[in-house]
Amino acid sequence: GQNIDQPTEMTATEGAIVQINCTYQTSGFNGLFWYQQHAGEAPTFLSYNVLDGLEEKGRFSSFLSRSKGYSYLLLKELQMKDSASYLCAVMDSNYQLIWGAGTKLIIKP
Amino acid sequence: ETGVTQTPRHLVMGMTNKKSLKCEQHLGHNAMYWYKQSAKKPLELMFVYSLEERVENNSVPSRFSPECPNSSHLFLHLHTLQPEDSALYLCASSQGWGTSGYEQYFGPGTRLTVT
Repeated sequence: GQNIDQPTEMTATEGAIVQINCTYQTSGFNGLFWYQQHAGEAPTFLSYNVLDGLEEKGRFSSFLSRSKGYSYLLLKELQMKDSASYLCAVMDSNYQLIWGAGTKLIIKP
Repeated sequence: ETGVTQTPRHLVMGMTNKKSLKCEQHLGHNAMYWYKQSAKKPLELMFVYSLEERVENNSVPSRFSPECPNSSHLFLHLHTLQPEDSALYLCASSQGWGTSGYEQYFGPGTRLTVT
């Protein structure tokens, strides 16, 4: 079966750096997405990786290793507004998104 | 952000009721999706429409019936639901279907409670 694993919850301090990991086993691979979802709100797109390596977008970076079935989302200079759930999703060979259960990130002052 | 809108935002219905959820996208996209989100579980894809044709139906019970009258509107008709159907129902759209790289844009969801 297809599976996406990410930690259920993480805690970090304002101003610090946090890395959220995601491992996957899917039928085929057509890219990996990261989304942010604040409580009670819609998920919003953060990043897309289809080739190995690091993609940087301001305070957020996403890394992919296809051979290891592994990705991480790196958040720098954490702000209180970064408290949210972070969802990892892989597009499989049928172009369907397979989703992880999400990582709830708690930022403390 | 009003790219994808959903109504109603909250819905409480009995198991014998019939109701419909509505989604509208203002982004000029060609693909629309219904997802179910339950607490601490991954998003579950229910239906996909591309250019108004259903392209995926992931073993969803027949008490959920989708309708896509045009590329901007998507409905989810509900009837004789069960309490375990209580969840957040999210609508999403993307520029296309069947190609990698198209991110999905989500609506705010309808919080459904079945009593």
